Amino acid sequence: EAGVTQSPTHLIKTRGQQATLRCSPISGHTSVYWYQQALGLGLQFLLWYDEGEERNRGNFPPRFSGRQFPNYSSELNVNALELEDSALYLCASSPDEWTGYEQYFGPGTRLTVT
Amino acid sequence: QKEVEQNSGPLSVPEGAIASLNCTYSDRGSQSFFWYRQYSGKSPELIMSIYSNGDKEDGRFTAQLNKASQYVSLLIRDSQPSDSATYLCAVNILTSGAGSYQLTFGKGTKLSVIP
Repeated sequence: EAGVTQSPTHLIKTRGQQATLRCSPISGHTSVYWYQQALGLGLQFLLWYDEGEERNRGNFPPRFSGRQFPNYSSELNVNALELEDSALYLCASSPDEWTGYEQYFGPGTRLTVT
Repeated sequence: QKEVEQNSGPLSVPEGAIASLNCTYSDRGSQSFFWYRQYSGKSPELIMSIYSNGDKEDGRFTAQLNKASQYVSLLIRDSQPSDSATYLCAVNILTSGAGSYQLTFGKGTKLSVIP
C-alpha cells in the first residue's frame, strides 16, 4: 500500500512570491492534515481537510490556505512568502474525520524563502 | 501550561540499555496518544499508539498510559544505535478555537544511543 506522497521535495522561492505544495493521502483516507516544522520548533498544526471541507485551522495568518480535491488529494498555498516561512511542510492523512485516529506522514516539502 | 510537554534531552543511553521517554499533557479529556520517531531531516514515523490505561507492547517498544496522572511514556528495550532519533509525543487535545480535538505534538526528546 502506497504511503502519503508529497511534491515537490524541495522548493525555493523569493520573498513575496507564492508557493503551492501538494499532497496525496493513503488510499482510502479522507482526512488530510498540514503541519509546519520550522528549524528548532515543534510540529505546528496548519490546516485540516476532510471530505473536501476545511475542518480546522491552526494559529496561522490567512495567507496560508489550501483545498482538498474530490480524490482527497490536497494542496497548500502560501501567499506573500516571508523569510520565516522557511520550514519543512508535512502532510499527514488519517482514515476519516475522527481526530483520534493515527496520522501517517508524508516525506515533506522543504520550503526555502530567500 | 503547555499542552504537551516533553524533556528536550538529549537523552543518552548505552547500547543495550532501556531508554525511557516521558510526556505529560494538559487535557484530561484526551483519548488518543501516539509516539512518533523522527530521524534528522526526515518526516515523523508512527511507532506506537495507545488509547487505554496501562501498557502496550510492540517488539522492543512499550507505551505506558496513566490518564489520572496525565502521563504517557515510551520504553525502548535493548536500545540500538539505530534508535538514535527525536521522539515526538502526540496527544489529541481539545482546541479552544475550533472547539474540536486536534493532534498536538510535544517538541520531542532527542535520544542518543551510544555504541
